[in-house]
Amino acid sequence: QVQLQESGPGLVKPSETLSLTCTVSGGSVSSGSYYWSWIRQPPGKGLEWIGYIYYSGSTNYNPSLKSRVTISVDTSKNQFSLKLSSVTAADTAVYYCARETSTVTGDWFDPWGQGTLVTVSS
Amino acid sequence: SSELTQDPAVSVALGQTVRITCQGDSLRSYYASWYQQKPGQAPVLVIYGKNNRPSGIPDRFSGSSSGNTASLTITGAQAEDEADYYCNSRDSSGNRWVFGGGTKLTVL
Repeated sequence: QVQLQESGPGLVKPSETLSLTCTVSGGSVSSGSYYWSWIRQPPGKGLEWIGYIYYSGSTNYNPSLKSRVTISVDTSKNQFSLKLSSVTAADTAVYYCARETSTVTGDWFDPWGQGTLVTVSS
Repeated sequence: SSELTQDPAVSVALGQTVRITCQGDSLRSYYASWYQQKPGQAPVLVIYGKNNRPSGIPDRFSGSSSGNTASLTITGAQAEDEADYYCNSRDSSGNRWVFGGGTKLTVL
């Protein structure tokens, strides 16, 4: 059973870069069947898709964040990572990593990591 | 603003049937997936594709779609179904993913 686990600093200063890593166990990020995504949720608010990466390194980002987001993959460590630059308080959120399946019969995110709260504050 | 619109809150009496809806133009072309989120927990996939349930999801959960509206139906709602529910699909370009604003389900 595939499991995902986020890790990284829980506190980031304004204007700095948020960096998170998602470690995949029970499966491989090199599988060509899936996309590896980041999703966030500000406290008390809804979900926002940030972007995804394919094992080949191709990426797709939310246009609203595209100028600040970089998602990368490390197949040797079975991990993928998120960098969000120039953060502000509005970037305070629980950040989730998730595996996305995309087929002709639909797209879905499953499983999800447990999430990690990142607070932007000086 | 979200390209997928959900009612903020819905309530249902214990054991009754409730439908949670999600509206958006992209739903005319793409299926929605549905996620259940309980307080302090990560979202859990409950419905994907035309009407598919992952292993472990009770069969009281079902999905349907008509025109620009996708629906999640819970037949015989249980107390443990009280949660936030989010729909998700591609946006109108087909190249990005969007979530609905979420519906808070209360089981009375």
